[in-house]
Amino acid sequence: AQKVTQAQTEISVVEKEDVTLDCVYETRDTTYYLFWYKQPPSGELVFLIRRNSFDEQNEISGRYSWNFQKSTSSFNFTITASQVVDSAVYFCALSVPEAVRGGADGLTFGKGTHLIIQP
Amino acid sequence: DAGVTQSPTHLIKTRGQQVTLRCSPKSGHDTVSWYQQALGQGPQFIFQYYEEEERQRGNFPDRFSGHQFPNYSSELNVNALLLGDSALYLCASRTGNSYEQYFGPGTRLTVT
Repeated sequence: AQKVTQAQTEISVVEKEDVTLDCVYETRDTTYYLFWYKQPPSGELVFLIRRNSFDEQNEISGRYSWNFQKSTSSFNFTITASQVVDSAVYFCALSVPEAVRGGADGLTFGKGTHLIIQP
Repeated sequence: DAGVTQSPTHLIKTRGQQVTLRCSPKSGHDTVSWYQQALGQGPQFIFQYYEEEERQRGNFPDRFSGHQFPNYSSELNVNALLLGDSALYLCASRTGNSYEQYFGPGTRLTVT
């Protein structure tokens, strides 16, 4: 069974501060995918990034960066110079594609971190 | 290019009734998954459909069933509704060779 833990329930920072959202995962499988999604008040989950278990390179996309460390089973997300528009609930998720079922890959989500950026 | 669409947007049902929710995947996507998101929680995987068959199921009772049509659209059916079924129901789609799931806006189901 898989598990994703987002220990930070809510984070509040002032605009322009950097903020890191933590994600710790559990799986016994060697092949898996990790994701981050953003859920604004409108409710629709917005895909941010996917990482596979064989690629530990950190990634940067504009103000967003991700730090994947298999040694600690963590996949943390940092927003640099935060903006009010970054306010949302952020979810970390894990999938373990089933090779015997053509890659069936239901996502296991954490409980989310509510990020509040104050102006 | 239309994304994932879901209908209806909101729905109110009475305990014991049955409900059907609908999802149209993003153009070019053939795999559809359904998730239930209770208030303040992360989404929970219900099941996934591919080639009109359920190929993976989460920890949900048989009251939850689904269907995928030849055009890849999908329905989620819930029988004998309970108060605890009140939630946002999300549909996600992807192509067969990609593991990036794209989500629709969801259907907010309220059971009274």
